[in-house]
Amino acid sequence: DAGVIQSPRHEVTEMGQEVTLRCKPISGHDYLFWYRQTMMQGLELLVYFNNKAVMDDSGMPKDRFSAKMPNASFSTLKIQPSEPRDSAVYFCASSKRLAGFSDTQYFGPGTRLTVL
Amino acid sequence: AQSVTQLDSHVSVSEGTPVLLRCNYSSSYSPSLFWYVQHPNKGLQLLLKYTSAATLVKGINGFEAEFKKSETSFHLTKPSAHMSDAAEYFCVVSDTTGSLDDKIIFGKGTRLHILP
Repeated sequence: DAGVIQSPRHEVTEMGQEVTLRCKPISGHDYLFWYRQTMMQGLELLVYFNNKAVMDDSGMPKDRFSAKMPNASFSTLKIQPSEPRDSAVYFCASSKRLAGFSDTQYFGPGTRLTVL
Repeated sequence: AQSVTQLDSHVSVSEGTPVLLRCNYSSSYSPSLFWYVQHPNKGLQLLLKYTSAATLVKGINGFEAEFKKSETSFHLTKPSAHMSDAAEYFCVVSDTTGSLDDKIIFGKGTRLHILP
């Protein structure tokens, strides 16, 4: 298996621009997670899906962030408009089942976003 | 409410000596506890997890951790450090009620340095 695939690996954009991050989970995994990692805040869960449905997006700034999972093998995290404080590494992860987050999550390599 | 505290942001050990990375947690329910490792410019990889079975958990690459409920600790150990162990390590706590109130919290991370 190729593991969780994320694209792009690096993104540099200017403030106010739209940014779209992409993720392909491991085949057969029902759960997909988006995390943000910064030096100040560490790793934060932004949103997660179960069978393509949003289960919890309480960690995601709603005014500028949106997450979608149109099918079982693809998800996007969109930021519009982007701001310098959005600069971070964004990780996508997937797991087979949730059971209260007790299942192992498999992480992608991350997308390093820099907003100038 | 959940929380997780990694007591050291940096740990340095000599190659061949024991490793101890400390983690304390708090949880309102029966927690699941994990250690993940992150090598530079990589995603996180599961080292080991505790989900209410044996309190001494063995993981990959010779790591193990002991769940101590009375001390609310889940410290990570390895008898003999190897240069390839140099990485950042994250202690993670999650609730296992299976409800939508479940949360997952990552510690701030401990960077492990291995001295030759």
